[in-house]
Amino acid sequence: AQSVSQHNHHVILSEAASLELGCNYSYGGTVNLFWYVQYPGQHLQLLLKYFSGDPLVKGIKGFEAEFIKSKFSFNLRKPSVQWSDTAEYFCAVKSMDTGRRALTFGSGTRLQVQP
Amino acid sequence: DVKVTQSSRYLVKRTGEKVFLECVQDMDHENMFWYRQDPGLGLRLIYFSYDVKMKEKGDIPEGYSVSREKKERFSLILESASTNQTSMYLCASSFGTGYNSPLHFGNGTRLTVT
Repeated sequence: AQSVSQHNHHVILSEAASLELGCNYSYGGTVNLFWYVQYPGQHLQLLLKYFSGDPLVKGIKGFEAEFIKSKFSFNLRKPSVQWSDTAEYFCAVKSMDTGRRALTFGSGTRLQVQP
Repeated sequence: DVKVTQSSRYLVKRTGEKVFLECVQDMDHENMFWYRQDPGLGLRLIYFSYDVKMKEKGDIPEGYSVSREKKERFSLILESASTNQTSMYLCASSFGTGYNSPLHFGNGTRLTVT
């Protein structure tokens, strides 16, 4: 079964610091990759997604992620975080080969941005 | 804008009770999903459905069942609630085959079993 690892469980940054959250997945076939964000008290929403093509994808609110196939990674980055980025971030993977339509999620990273 | 509505935001039930969690989506999505969210474990898939009256087990289906009698509604059933089912339950939906379709989530139901 495929799995998704997010190694950073809790990250604390000051405003304007750069952010990189790690995500690794176990499946070796073709995958679709996602980052979701959950702001305090809100529902999960899509931040960005990768299906094919340019491995550097840009999402909302200045976030971007890079797909590195050889490393089975899809790390999330932002050059300068804001207090409003405080949230929990989830990486998710969908296998294209198994026909399973559901996403497999990582354990999440809680980001706390201090003003 | 897609709306996924979960009928209860908070529920408190007793051990052994039968519990129904309801989810409705308004965008005619084929696919619906139930996840549970626990600290440090992320989201884990309980059940999903591709179509009316169709269901498939996810990664942690034990102790749960589902019902999809209408396309817009997907119910999660805890046949006999136990304390280890205390969790946040998230419903989600997506369009079509889902390969290029993101999930749309509801606000969640926080269930406490005492």
